[in-house]
Amino acid sequence: QKEVEQNSGPLSVPEGAIASLNCTYSDRGSQSFFWYRQYSGKSPELIMFIYSNGDKEDGRFTAQLNKASQYVSLLIRDSQPSDSATYLCAVDPYSGGGADGLTFGKGTHLIIQP
Amino acid sequence: GAGVSQSPSNKVTEKGKDVELRCDPISGHTALYWYRQSLGQGLEFLIYFQGNSAPDKSGLPSDRFSAERTGGSVSTLTIQRTQQEDSAVYLCASSLFRRAGDTQYFGPGTRLTVL
Repeated sequence: QKEVEQNSGPLSVPEGAIASLNCTYSDRGSQSFFWYRQYSGKSPELIMFIYSNGDKEDGRFTAQLNKASQYVSLLIRDSQPSDSATYLCAVDPYSGGGADGLTFGKGTHLIIQP
Repeated sequence: GAGVSQSPSNKVTEKGKDVELRCDPISGHTALYWYRQSLGQGLEFLIYFQGNSAPDKSGLPSDRFSAERTGGSVSTLTIQRTQQEDSAVYLCASSLFRRAGDTQYFGPGTRLTVL
């Protein structure tokens, strides 16, 4: 059973601070990792993806991957109230075969306090 | 360009009725996916199409669920004899190919309510 675990929160962070969102996964063969943001009543939208160990930066967002520890994180710098949403960690088990979709965590509800 | 579209956006039906949900993927995307998101739950993968073919249907919750894709484009998810536990948001996503790391783009979803 492939699992993706996230702290459901809510995680409350002051405006301008760094928000740190964490995710662990069970399938050691997983190849790629995604962070989606989902506003209430809306569909998920892609924030970042990461394939290789280490850090990947895109604007205010940094994704971190540690395959040995089966751990993915997302850092949001200079948090804004508009960042308040549920953040979904998704893991792609695809490794050249099979017909699985992404495995999602249940999401972390992030609240940025003005 | 146009994103993934889904219809209807909302569907209210009575228990026991059949429903059809439609997904129109991004033009040129060969891979199409259906997910379900129940209240307070994560996204649950249902089925994947590469072209018109669904290699594995084991993710469908029961034999009341079926899906097809025609012309390598539009897909329909059909739920027969709906039950209250089928109430959820049904999300469709598409990606250019089914390769490791290909980004899946989601449609706005269909909110299904079974009374």
